[in-house]
Amino acid sequence: GENVEQHPSTLSVQEGDSAVIKCTYSDSASNYFPWYKQELGKRPQLIIDIRSNVGEKKDQRIAVTLNKTAKHFSLHITETQPEDSAVYFCAASIPTSGTYKYIFGTGTRLKVLA
Amino acid sequence: DTEVTQTPKHLVMGMTNKKSLKCEQHMGHRAMYWYKQKAKKPPELMFVYSYEKLSINESVPSRFSPECPNSSLLNLHLHALQPEDSALYLCASSPRLMAGAYTYNEQFFGPGTRLTVL
Repeated sequence: GENVEQHPSTLSVQEGDSAVIKCTYSDSASNYFPWYKQELGKRPQLIIDIRSNVGEKKDQRIAVTLNKTAKHFSLHITETQPEDSAVYFCAASIPTSGTYKYIFGTGTRLKVLA
Repeated sequence: DTEVTQTPKHLVMGMTNKKSLKCEQHMGHRAMYWYKQKAKKPPELMFVYSYEKLSINESVPSRFSPECPNSSLLNLHLHALQPEDSALYLCASSPRLMAGAYTYNEQFFGPGTRLTVL
């Protein structure tokens, strides 16, 4: 079935440390993997994404890696700052019914301690 | 205009009321989505419209009725809701549709409507 597992559910790090969030998907037809950051009461914001034909992508302090064989993808945030505190969702995009739909992970609440 | 907008921001309704949520985008996106999000949970897909046609209905109760009058506008009509339907309702749009192995759909979310059913 369609499923995305996300770990950990909560993560506390000291400011300046790194944070890693991991996701595993089940549908091998998934071909696109976005990461969203959602602050309390706000909309999910796309922060980085990776396509199935790429193994790694980096944007300043944020990077995403994809292992298609293992069906794993991970978000890496380096030099964390208090403003990185939020809930992070991974997603896998699945082609279906002539369009796409996202299967979201359950979310990770990241707290960066000053 | 590079945003998805939603109105109203907040809505309180009784179980016998009829109300509508509105979503608008002027980015030329041809796929639009409705999601429901409960507190501390991920967005849960409800409907997908592709070129103004309903492509996906994730077994949503009939008290939720979507409508896509044109390529820029998406409505969600609400009738006889239950208190458990209280949630944040998010709209999203996407510029790409299925056209081969490497077509990707970045979804852009609106700010949501916070719905409370009394």
